Amino acid sequence: GENVEQHPSTLSVQEGDSAVIKCTYSDSASNYFPWYKQELGKGPQLIIDIRSNVGEKKDQRIAVTLNKTAKHFSLHITETQPEDSAVYFCAASPLSGGYNKLIFGAGTRLAVHP
Amino acid sequence: GAGVSQSPSNKVTEKGKDVELRCDPISGHTALYWYRQSLGQGLEFLIYFQGNSAPDKSGLPSDRFSAERTGGSVSTLTIQRTQQEDSAVYLCASGLSGANVLTFGAGSRLTVL
Repeated sequence: GENVEQHPSTLSVQEGDSAVIKCTYSDSASNYFPWYKQELGKGPQLIIDIRSNVGEKKDQRIAVTLNKTAKHFSLHITETQPEDSAVYFCAASPLSGGYNKLIFGAGTRLAVHP
Repeated sequence: GAGVSQSPSNKVTEKGKDVELRCDPISGHTALYWYRQSLGQGLEFLIYFQGNSAPDKSGLPSDRFSAERTGGSVSTLTIQRTQQEDSAVYLCASGLSGANVLTFGAGSRLTVL
């Protein structure tokens, strides 16, 4: 089955700096890679996702890159703000018409200091 | 409703007791998942329901754990004879079939004394 590894487990940056979180996956059949943000006391919320037919996707200050050959993908947050502080989870899943099971990484706790 | 609703938000129980956790998914979402999040850890897959298909129970950690989904909507996760290692936040998520975008509830925090 799929296994997702995520690094680093904690990340501390100054406001305005960039943050990068990296994930690797094991199942070459996986073709859907979402990123979720979890704030304290809340459930994870989807912030961006990428499918295997593209190598990069951007949405304002966040971007995700995917290298299918190497089986790794990364989340990039530019111009970080204190409200970006949260736990971020990557996930991988084969995307098909029926069953889609997301396997999550262990999470990265991001702290953005003013 | 507007989001995924879970209850109770907090549950404290004694070792050996049974507990039931409830999930109300978003109306129209045919896919429903349960995940477990232990303190400071990632999201551990437990079980998946998709429409009328047989659920994928491959993530349930022991036969003390079971889940059902009635009428394709509300789901209940039951933990029998709770142990201290069952203490965690239990998260429910729902989604549209094939779309894979999940909406999570706020979770049920279970503490077993």
